Amino acid sequence: SQQGEEDPQALSIQEGENATMNCSYKTSINNLQWYRQNSGRGLVHLILIRSNEREKHSGRLRVTLDTSKKSSSLLITASRAADTASYFCATAATGGFKTIFGAGTRLFVKA
Amino acid sequence: DTEVTQTPKHLVMGMTNKKSLKCEQHMGHRAMYWYKQKAKKPPELMFVYSYEKLSINESVPSRFSPECPNSSLLNLHLHALQPEDSALYLCASSQESLARGSNTGELFFGEGSRLTVL
Repeated sequence: SQQGEEDPQALSIQEGENATMNCSYKTSINNLQWYRQNSGRGLVHLILIRSNEREKHSGRLRVTLDTSKKSSSLLITASRAADTASYFCATAATGGFKTIFGAGTRLFVKA
Repeated sequence: DTEVTQTPKHLVMGMTNKKSLKCEQHMGHRAMYWYKQKAKKPPELMFVYSYEKLSINESVPSRFSPECPNSSLLNLHLHALQPEDSALYLCASSQESLARGSNTGELFFGEGSRLTVL
């Protein structure tokens, strides 16, 4: 079953602009992660934020987590054509191995 | 070595065939996963192994049979599949937390095996 919903489903921006993707989830979580997937390839882990954290940065990525609203956002700053990919949030409940993925946002960055 | 290797990359099989997908990792991870992904959909969890024991089976049909022969290898045996089983099958691994029984978060994925059932 699918844990998270993401919006927008698709996002098209120009190179240099910022891209923001949102994720909502339904149950209590231990952590929330964001992954990237190039077309037809495996997923690559981008960043993990724990339930007791509110914001985290990694290079051009900024992730926020609001556990009261059960939502997270991923901001990619100064986007590049190479950022074109699908981005998924994934949640892991406390105690266990069940990592469940949201529906994903397809990002298109035009050069 | 931070790679998860999946073979074959592509597989075409008939509904009466028996085939296997293979996954290998040498990161010392003790949790390994199979996910199924249809086009333009998120990965769906199928199975999780922890310390070579099946920990999670997400009500997957018995025509999919997982096997974990050792801590580095994970197989998915396929038999009597249906055309709707055509998908990208992704293997992943993760470290287990110090408390055991759960992962530390990050999953390392292979590139997937694209399966077509005719």
